[in-house]
Amino acid sequence: GAVVSQHPSWVICKSGTSVKIECRSLDFQATTMFWYRQFPKQSLMLMATSNEGSKATYEQGVEKDKFLINHASLTLSTLTVTSAHPEDSSFYICSAHRQTSSYEQYFGPGTRLTVT
Amino acid sequence: DAKTTQPNSMESNEEEPVHLPCNHSTISGTDYIHWYRQLPSQGPEYVIHGLTSNVNNRMASLAIAEDRKSSTLILHRATLRDAAVYYCILRADREKLTFGTGTRLTIIP
Repeated sequence: GAVVSQHPSWVICKSGTSVKIECRSLDFQATTMFWYRQFPKQSLMLMATSNEGSKATYEQGVEKDKFLINHASLTLSTLTVTSAHPEDSSFYICSAHRQTSSYEQYFGPGTRLTVT
Repeated sequence: DAKTTQPNSMESNEEEPVHLPCNHSTISGTDYIHWYRQLPSQGPEYVIHGLTSNVNNRMASLAIAEDRKSSTLILHRATLRDAAVYYCILRADREKLTFGTGTRLTIIP
């Protein structure tokens, strides 16, 4: 199956700093990528939809100035958590569609962010 | 978004079949029924999807009720590696995936 990678797999940062998470589709082109957040023992919550070459679409309640999304190419989307606070500590997961297939989303392994 | 209802948790013995139910009484004609699963500390993975007819693949089978208001994911022979949270999701073509709470499946050795 198609592979989506995330980097880093885990990161610890200090409160007030910014953290960038990369999401790459390794063997296919992805016009659309999605970013999710998952708190412990909870379900995935969609944060935003990232479209190559255009601005991301954020879900209601997600601060676009805090969670900066860039989708500069068909294989890379980045999520930057700006001025991170302890409440931003979570498991961040990206996913992508193949350009040629609409039914299956491929998920990355996730990035665990801990803000101290 | 159309919603689905799943049991919070289920248990099954290893090497036995597992039937995971999902109710979706408000499903619309354009909604596909998708199943994903999430193993501990990993991203979700696609299991199967269908529209009206029953579907089989190497991982599982999907049985869809004639009125499409419910469906059942069938794991034919559960292994310990099938322990995960299983999500039943309704999705129109190319729409975003909205995850509910899912069913936590425990496999008993």
